[in-house]
Amino acid sequence: EPEVTQTPSHQVTQMGQEVILRCVPISNHLYFYWYRQILGQKVEFLVSFYNNEISEKSEIFDDQFSVERPDGSNFTLKIRSTKLEDSAMYFCASSEGTGGVGANVLTFGAGSRLTVL
Amino acid sequence: SQELEQSPQSLIVQEGKNLTINCTSSKTLYGLYWYKQKYGEGLIFLMMLQKGGEEKSHEKITAKLDEKKQQSSLHITASQPSHAGIYLCGADVGWTDKLIFGTGTRLQVFP
Repeated sequence: EPEVTQTPSHQVTQMGQEVILRCVPISNHLYFYWYRQILGQKVEFLVSFYNNEISEKSEIFDDQFSVERPDGSNFTLKIRSTKLEDSAMYFCASSEGTGGVGANVLTFGAGSRLTVL
Repeated sequence: SQELEQSPQSLIVQEGKNLTINCTSSKTLYGLYWYKQKYGEGLIFLMMLQKGGEEKSHEKITAKLDEKKQQSSLHITASQPSHAGIYLCGADVGWTDKLIFGTGTRLQVFP
């Protein structure tokens, strides 16, 4: 069964450092997403990406964050200067996005745990 | 903004017992999605409901969307340890692509 893969599974970084989280969405999916989950809290939407541009972003997704699809397969989330409060599990997801029934079913990756010290 | 509230927050049941988890929305639901999350892992899609009164089943899990489309329930029959995890409801937010998620229900099943 097709799956979304994320790397790294766990990253530890110092405050102020740049971090790039990588994702390989399902190949025929058109919409890509990043969500995050701070320990013990809700899964929160960060950003959605379609047709090589951001289609929607949340208040959390400030200027410290950026997303990119550098090639035909990878989808990356960059945090420019990490803060302690960026420590969380980051999930990548993708969906078909064709508008049909079930098109908005998101397939999630296993997550990348970011720890900022 | 739309909010999803789940109840109970936590549930501990004995293997073989039935249980129900509820998800209540502050606004009309256009699409309601149930996911399961094992600790430290990603979200696994279970079911999607769109129409008021719709009910879907998969193995021993049944989900229903009420007629007014503001509440959904997830029912597990004869629970097993493999059902343990965090159950999340997610909702389409109007015409946007994203899903928003509920607060989650942590289920533990003991032998």
